Amino acid sequence: KQEVTQIPAALSVPEGENLVLNCSFTDSAIYNLQWFRQDPGKGLTSLLLIQSSQREQTSGRLNASLDKSSGRSTLYIAASQPGDSATYLCAVRLLGLTFGEGTQLTVNP
Amino acid sequence: IAGITQAPTSQILAAGRRMTLRCTQDMRHNAMYWYRQDLGLGLRLIHYSNTAGTTGKGEVPDGYSVSRANTDDFPLTLASAVPSQTSVYFCASSPLEGLGYNEQFFGPGTRLTVL
Repeated sequence: KQEVTQIPAALSVPEGENLVLNCSFTDSAIYNLQWFRQDPGKGLTSLLLIQSSQREQTSGRLNASLDKSSGRSTLYIAASQPGDSATYLCAVRLLGLTFGEGTQLTVNP
Repeated sequence: IAGITQAPTSQILAAGRRMTLRCTQDMRHNAMYWYRQDLGLGLRLIHYSNTAGTTGKGEVPDGYSVSRANTDDFPLTLASAVPSQTSVYFCASSPLEGLGYNEQFFGPGTRLTVL
């Protein structure tokens, strides 16, 4: 059974810092990996999708990497802003998505 | 309509009652999914549908049923609600499930409380 783990569970940083969120998964037989953000009481917003054959995806200040063989992905956020405060979820895809429990990020002004 | 809509937004339900959560997408995506989100357990797949007319079970299907009569709609039914089904329910969709490569898009969620 696929298991997805996200570390750390919570992170608080001052505005402007670069930061890395970690995601690991136990079964490398995945189609893709997707990073989401979720604001309190809201739905999920897709940030980046990495196909299993890809190593990296970038969107603005976000960069996600995937090392399928070792079962790891990282989400790098450059020059963090208070508006980045949210829970970040990592999910791997086979039939549906298997999610980690998320990293709760707080960026302090 | 743009994207995925879910109804109701929230609901309080007595145990033993029947309830259908509605999900509609206008993106003509082949595949649709239902997840539930619970504190400490994250999001878990309940049921999915790769295309109209087909459905499949996810990680936590017991107590739930789905149907997919057409491309746009994917209702989730609780035949006899129990308190452990108190959760936030998210519907999602993605295109071209057969390739397995595609991004999933999520609806705003339904908050269900079973008393």
